[in-house]
Amino acid sequence: DTAVSQTPKYLVTQMGNDKSIKCEQNLGHDTMYWYKQDSKKFLKIMFSYNNKELIINETVPNRFSPKSPDKAHLNLHINSLELGDSAVYFCASSLWTSGTPLYEQYFGPGTRLTVT
Amino acid sequence: AQSVTQLDSHVSVSEGTPVLLRCNYSSSYSPSLFWYVQHPNKGLQLLLKYTSAATLVKGINGFEAEFKKSETSFHLTKPSAHMSDAAEYFCVVLSSNTGKLIFGQGTTLQVKP
Repeated sequence: DTAVSQTPKYLVTQMGNDKSIKCEQNLGHDTMYWYKQDSKKFLKIMFSYNNKELIINETVPNRFSPKSPDKAHLNLHINSLELGDSAVYFCASSLWTSGTPLYEQYFGPGTRLTVT
Repeated sequence: AQSVTQLDSHVSVSEGTPVLLRCNYSSSYSPSLFWYVQHPNKGLQLLLKYTSAATLVKGINGFEAEFKKSETSFHLTKPSAHMSDAAEYFCVVLSSNTGKLIFGQGTTLQVKP
């Protein structure tokens, strides 16, 4: 039944480590996103893939690398984790048509990353 | 550039009284606007959306919002607050050429018994 799922839900790790967050959607959408929510609850887009092609790449450190093996999956790999990476990361998906996003985005439950 | 501004960072109401969460938008063309809700330690859930059809939009859980072009506003209302409405609410505009959702700063709704 789950529409957009993320694993893990919680991730606690030390500075300098490398970690990955996985996202999967079963809605048949062709576009997936990663958002970061900071400690003040502000949400900002990081990346977006449409049909496995990167279409949005905000100003994000290159330690963050998204990978989309297929339309239903979008993973986020983070190298050399820093304290400032601590946040909640949300995956989302939506449907585009003719190169235009027409529909709302559906969000996953979030992954709370804590870097110590 | 498109943007949204939520005019109140925190709103407190008593259970059973009306809710008003204010949002102003900035857009050079007819925007697609949304309200999302985030309950504590949960993901975001879509409450309602405006996509240039009816200006009064009804959403889930008794919420509605009215698009007012002359005031560039998209305020969220509910006639009677329930304790379960306590959450963070985000007004959001969709950038139609990039697909980016641009979020407001959020409004924390507190509902007192």
